[in-house]
Amino acid sequence: GEDVEQSLFLSVREGDSSVINCTYTDSSSTYLYWYKQEPGAGLQLLTYIFSNMDMKQDQRLTVLLNKKDKHLSLRIADTQTGDSAIYFCAEIGGSQGNLIFGKGTKLSVKP
Amino acid sequence: GAVVSQHPSRVICKSGTSVKIECRSLDFQATTMFWYRQFPKQSLMLMATSNEGSKATYEQGVEKDKFLINHASLTLSTLTVTSAHPEDSSFYICSARARAGGRWDTQYFGPGTRLTVL
Repeated sequence: GEDVEQSLFLSVREGDSSVINCTYTDSSSTYLYWYKQEPGAGLQLLTYIFSNMDMKQDQRLTVLLNKKDKHLSLRIADTQTGDSAIYFCAEIGGSQGNLIFGKGTKLSVKP
Repeated sequence: GAVVSQHPSRVICKSGTSVKIECRSLDFQATTMFWYRQFPKQSLMLMATSNEGSKATYEQGVEKDKFLINHASLTLSTLTVTSAHPEDSSFYICSARARAGGRWDTQYFGPGTRLTVL
């Protein structure tokens, strides 16, 4: 079945870049997503990338997709303390088109 | 982006009672709504898929008689946890997919409902 893997923790200093990595298994995934979850809150869609793209940039966020290796990354430039949260990588899977989530990467930003 | 609301945001109940959680798409029509559950420090796990006007499709291991899902309109789906027990305590999150789209359309998530069963 489909599976999404992420590292669990990342710690960076304010102003540095953060890179969160994700690997997925379903090569037929059409869209891949990054969601942000702050403590006690729901999920906020950050960005997504279509599978025929290698890169997508949206302000401070850059998504890189390596389809051959089934590897997705999210780069946050000039990381701020407000970026501290859990970041989930997700792919569309299942017969209903539901999302399959990774376990989430907890990003801690130190001043 | 599209807005999805959930009500209540937080509920505490006694063991054995039933709890209803509402999920509404506020500015779009959702033919499909998904219900996920998230245990502390865990990822989201799909519980069931709800299509407007038809019975929900439950994931393996999810008791359909315990977690009743109703999707009576294009903007509202409800999840009722019947005879709740402490092990049902969790964060329940719904997502909605727009009517006009297909399988690949973006899902928008509600803010979640924290259920605590004493």
